[in-house]
Amino acid sequence: NAGVTQTPKFQVLKTGQSMTLQCAQDMNHEYMSWYRQDPGMGLRLIHYSVGAGITDQGEVPNGYNVSRSTTEDFPLRLLSAAPSQTSVYFCASQRRGDSYEQYFGPGTRLTVT
Amino acid sequence: DAKTTQPNSMESNEEEPVHLPCNHSTISGTDYIHWYRQLPSQGPEYVIHGLTSNVNNRMASLAIAEDRKSSTLILHRATLRDAAVYYCILRTGKSTFGDGTTLTVKP
Repeated sequence: NAGVTQTPKFQVLKTGQSMTLQCAQDMNHEYMSWYRQDPGMGLRLIHYSVGAGITDQGEVPNGYNVSRSTTEDFPLRLLSAAPSQTSVYFCASQRRGDSYEQYFGPGTRLTVT
Repeated sequence: DAKTTQPNSMESNEEEPVHLPCNHSTISGTDYIHWYRQLPSQGPEYVIHGLTSNVNNRMASLAIAEDRKSSTLILHRATLRDAAVYYCILRTGKSTFGDGTTLTVKP
């Protein structure tokens, strides 16, 4: 059981470039979420999904796209990277329902120059 | 969206109990109260959660006020490895984490 995996671990982008952060889980969890964490701050919700084919926006969705074609995968796409998107990105998954805990991936550290 | 309020920081001595408070005055009747912690350079990890009754597990205890507008995470004997940021959240998976409480444990 690998849990929640994220790739890459580190990435440097130039302003205007696009890229996809990968997230996968092997626990058959229905819910998946993407967060960003800026230095010294808490985790802010970008997008979340309650099942394959269903996504919704979180608190800070601008500049990011998601899709959920399978239960296992929940990629996060940066359309045109900006320095303000420099952050650590965490993906998480959980079973359906609020009474279950989230499992977090190790994070992707993204720098946009 | 239901919000939580936590103190920015707390200190404790090693081997002493720690009580970390959280206010959630706009909690709805079906919201579970979740606690996570984040060690330096790691992703958050689950600590404990509850709905109405107090809860215990191997890591901590959760005391929930009768009106559910506040809760307290209790670490019974703090160790240096408990130094972390502790987050109290509602609606796990669909909520932003606040800034949490940074716990410093002094030897």
